[in-house]
Amino acid sequence: GQQLNQSPQSMFIQEGEDVSMNCTSSSIFNTWLWYKQDPGEGPVLLIALYKAGELTSNGRLTAQFGITRKDSFLNISASIPSDVGIYFCAGSRTSYGKLTFGQGTILTVHP
Amino acid sequence: EPEVTQTPSHQVTQMGQEVILRCVPISNHLYFYWYRQILGQKVEFLVSFYNNEISEKSEIFDDQFSVERPDGSNFTLKIRSTKLEDSAMYFCASSKASFDGYTFGSGTRLTVV
Repeated sequence: GQQLNQSPQSMFIQEGEDVSMNCTSSSIFNTWLWYKQDPGEGPVLLIALYKAGELTSNGRLTAQFGITRKDSFLNISASIPSDVGIYFCAGSRTSYGKLTFGQGTILTVHP
Repeated sequence: EPEVTQTPSHQVTQMGQEVILRCVPISNHLYFYWYRQILGQKVEFLVSFYNNEISEKSEIFDDQFSVERPDGSNFTLKIRSTKLEDSAMYFCASSKASFDGYTFGSGTRLTVV
């Protein structure tokens, strides 16, 4: 089946630092999405990317849809304690929108 | 802001029992989904539902699983005879258009004992 490889698995950073995480796939996706999940909650959409090469920002978050359609990255600038959580990439190939999720990146921010 | 509502938030059931997980999608959304997340693992697709029928399902969604939209607002996932390995968080999601960015519910934690 389709697999997304997300890295790193976890990150421990100081408040104020920038963060970068990425996802790669052996197959093409037509949509890339980035979600954040807090403990006991469902994933919350951060950024959606629909075109190869697209670079999109949402506040301190920036994400790019790779030109090959097989990868995406998410950057968080000037991290703050509330950025703590698990970040998931997700890709979709079909028009009905089934999502394939990466394994997640656990982000810890030290004040 | 509109949200997807799931009930119950936590369900404990004995192995072999049937469970029904309930979801109320956002009212003007047309596509509905169930996903599963085993503790500490990634979110996995189970099934998508559109126009009152299943549009896609994963290999996890075997004959023990079924979905239904019994009325205009509810969307349910039934597990007919639960197994220990069915213990997981189950998330319902809905979207207005196929690439409109899903909205996920807060999940139902199912514990099979």
